[in-house]
Amino acid sequence: EVQLMDSGGGLVQPGGSLRLSCAASGFTVSSNYMSWVRQAPGKGLEWVSVIYSGGSTYYTDSVKGRFTISRDYSKNTLFLQMNSLRVDDTAVYYCAKLLAGGWYEDGYFDFWGQGTLVTVSS
Amino acid sequence: QSVLTQPPSVSGAPGQRVTISCTGSSSNIGAGYDVHWYQQLPRTAPKLLIYGNNNRPSGVPDRFSGSKSGTSASLAITGLQAEDEADYYCQSYDSSLSCWVFGGGTKLTVL
Repeated sequence: EVQLMDSGGGLVQPGGSLRLSCAASGFTVSSNYMSWVRQAPGKGLEWVSVIYSGGSTYYTDSVKGRFTISRDYSKNTLFLQMNSLRVDDTAVYYCAKLLAGGWYEDGYFDFWGQGTLVTVSS
Repeated sequence: QSVLTQPPSVSGAPGQRVTISCTGSSSNIGAGYDVHWYQQLPRTAPKLLIYGNNNRPSGVPDRFSGSKSGTSASLAITGLQAEDEADYYCQSYDSSLSCWVFGGGTKLTVL
């Protein structure tokens, strides 16, 4: 059974850092496409970042240069290092497995973690 | 403002049929990219509902169906039940933004 367990959220001041973790079971993180998706309070879903099985990484424009997605093969865990946090980064962050067949663009998020809340406030 | 446009809310009585639209443009749905749908029950993570425009994952009732035409897609729910009350999101890919995009979400109320 596929399971994703998000953790690491909390309250941080603007300009601070936080590292989110997503522990996976039932499949191998490094053999799959993995993403982070966030949801600001009362708002919709926003894709944040992806790491492909080959290791390439991509980010939405608003977090480029500040966030870093990575993974640990031995722990079967996905990470999101968030630096220079801003008030508008406040959201529930979900890790999600991205399933794509022939074209990565047609990918969809077939399994989600329970989410972890990041609050950026002074 | 979301790249994919959904109505903020829809409603229907138990047993009725409702549809939720998702309108995009030539750089996403109109470019031929697949549309997927998610259901988010209150205070829970999103759950995949429809993938590849009109396919249901195992365990999703056949009351849920999807369609796509031109620059738009739709989610239809028949035989509405109280447990269907949730937020629904469409998702596709946008070639101009080079990223996966979501609709703003639609809140379904079962009267």
